Amino acid sequence: GAVVSQHPSWVICKSGTSVKIECRSLDFQATTMFWYRQFPKQSLMLMATSNEGSKATYEQGVEKDKFLINHASLTLSTLTVTSAHPEDSSFYICSAREGAGARTEAFFGQGTRLTVV
Amino acid sequence: AQSVTQLGSHVSVSEGALVLLRCNYSSSVPPYLFWYVQYPNQGLQLLLKYTSAATLVKGINGFEAEFKKSETSFHLTKPSAHMSDAAEYFCAVSRGGNNNDMRFGAGTRLTVKP
Repeated sequence: GAVVSQHPSWVICKSGTSVKIECRSLDFQATTMFWYRQFPKQSLMLMATSNEGSKATYEQGVEKDKFLINHASLTLSTLTVTSAHPEDSSFYICSAREGAGARTEAFFGQGTRLTVV
Repeated sequence: AQSVTQLGSHVSVSEGALVLLRCNYSSSVPPYLFWYVQYPNQGLQLLLKYTSAATLVKGINGFEAEFKKSETSFHLTKPSAHMSDAAEYFCAVSRGGNNNDMRFGAGTRLTVKP
């Protein structure tokens, strides 16, 4: 199956700094990628939909100025957590679908464990 | 709007026993349903998917699920649990259309006892 690579797999940063997470589709082009956040022992919550060449669509309650998304190419989307605070500590997962149809499966990155100290 | 509900946040079975993880869906249109498995600190891996073809869907690792429209269910089963099946399982529905994202259930943690 298709592969989505996410980097880094874990990161520790100081409060007030920014962290960038990359999500790459390795063997297919993804016009749309999705960013999820997962708290311990909870489900995945969609944060935003990343669209190549245009602005991301954010879910209600997600601060777009805090979670900056850039989808500069058909194989790369980045999520930047700006001015991170301890409450931003979480597991972030990206996904991409090979094709636009609702039948297609989503492929997921390995996830990034962010810890803000 | 499409959504899924997973009944039971934690299921515990003995090795070799039947695994049954429950998922019910809500959708105003024919749904596309998925089951994913997540191991600790990892992303999600697809087990199987229903896309309106056969109602009994077979997936990887011996898992299967049956789509029952009358019960709005898509329960995941495996005849004989293995220790390696211990993980978190998520049922998901594809929204399609302009959004095309997936919405996930709350997840069910499967524990397998020796």
